[in-house]
Amino acid sequence: LAKTTQPPSMEAYEGQEVNVSCSHTNIATSEYIYWYRQVPHQGPQFIIQGYKDYVVNEVASLFISADRKLSTLSLPWVSLRDAAVYYCIVTDMATNSAGNKLTFGIGTRVLVRP
Amino acid sequence: ETAVFQTPNYHVTQVGNEVSFNCKQTLGHDTMYWYKQDSKKLLKIMFSYNNKQLIVNETVPRRFSPQSSDKAHLNLRIKSVEPEDSAVYLCASSWDLNSDYTFGSGTRLLVI
Repeated sequence: LAKTTQPPSMEAYEGQEVNVSCSHTNIATSEYIYWYRQVPHQGPQFIIQGYKDYVVNEVASLFISADRKLSTLSLPWVSLRDAAVYYCIVTDMATNSAGNKLTFGIGTRVLVRP
Repeated sequence: ETAVFQTPNYHVTQVGNEVSFNCKQTLGHDTMYWYKQDSKKLLKIMFSYNNKQLIVNETVPRRFSPQSSDKAHLNLRIKSVEPEDSAVYLCASSWDLNSDYTFGSGTRLLVI
């Protein structure tokens, strides 16, 4: 499984756009990129997933570099409710076994100021 | 409401006791998991259960055991708790091992 590297923390003001980067330099061709976030006293929540290019949903957008070694989660117009730890995870979709499980790193703590 | 439900929310117990945590999912998913989140907030997979196939993380002590009556339930039993078992235990489910996961709110265990 590819290892991911994220900044440990970020800060933003309400209404700003937040971009959280994730480096996965050893990502394999069979691996997908997932983003989850966790607010205090809750379990992680799925945000978005992608393989290449650009993915968007009602919560966020995900840009993946052409070589797939870098991805950026973009949160438009953050509010206080977006304050959380954001996890970037890569997982091998080709393996349907014990090896294919979500492995969480330390994530990026996003602090939102009013 | 469809989701992953965990009980209890909190549990305090003494060293050596047996505890059991419940997890139920109403999403119709086929796979369930238990994760442990320690004081440093690191999430580590403990078990996954899919089509009656149990996959165990080899680092999990043998005093931990999952218990499933059907695909909607996966409980966690700890035979004789130790202080290092104090953590948040998170249950999750997914359609299969390749799908995104839905997590419960967790059970916070304190061993004194």
